[in-house]
Amino acid sequence: AQTVTQSQPEMSVQEAETVTLSCTYDTSESDYYLFWYKQPPSRQMILVIRQEAYKQQNATENRFSVNFQKAAKSFSLKISDSQLGDAAMYFCACTSGSRLTFGEGTQLTVNP
Amino acid sequence: EPEVTQTPSHQVTQMGQEVILRCVPISNHLYFYWYRQILGQKVEFLVSFYNNEISEKSEIFDDQFSVERPDGSNFTLKIRSTKLEDSAMYFCASRRDLYQPQHFGDGTRLSIL
Repeated sequence: AQTVTQSQPEMSVQEAETVTLSCTYDTSESDYYLFWYKQPPSRQMILVIRQEAYKQQNATENRFSVNFQKAAKSFSLKISDSQLGDAAMYFCACTSGSRLTFGEGTQLTVNP
Repeated sequence: EPEVTQTPSHQVTQMGQEVILRCVPISNHLYFYWYRQILGQKVEFLVSFYNNEISEKSEIFDDQFSVERPDGSNFTLKIRSTKLEDSAMYFCASRRDLYQPQHFGDGTRLSIL
């Protein structure tokens, strides 16, 4: 069975500062993908960034970047220059065959 | 940008009634999914659908649930004889192939009274 663990239920950051959200996973698959999804209060699921496990280079998407440590099965999300609109629940997820397995989520608060 | 569309946005149903949640996936996508999120909890996989049949389902997806692609555009989730614990946000997702990320709809909030 595949598992995804987010050990930080809540995080806060000052506007314009940097924050890192942690995620660890466990999978028996050799080929898989990792994702971070953002869920604002409206409860939409918005894809933030994805990482192919076979790629060593860390994915980046504007202010969002990941630190992918395959051996440690760690996949953290770094948000630089945090903005008020970044406030949301963030879910880490991993593919297992066709399905996505999600972590418990980290609620991010951005303080002005 | 094309998007996954779900209707209704909010459905209120009496316990024991049947409910159908509707989704229109992105038009050139071939893989379809339903997920559930009970309030305050994580998103859970229910079922995946490809080539007009279920390709994978979770232990949550019991005989109470069924999915259908009745035409070339809609993808539905039917819940028979709803229970209070079926109250949740239900997300539909689709993707073109297994190398692409899943795109989610805005969800249907299902409230069972």
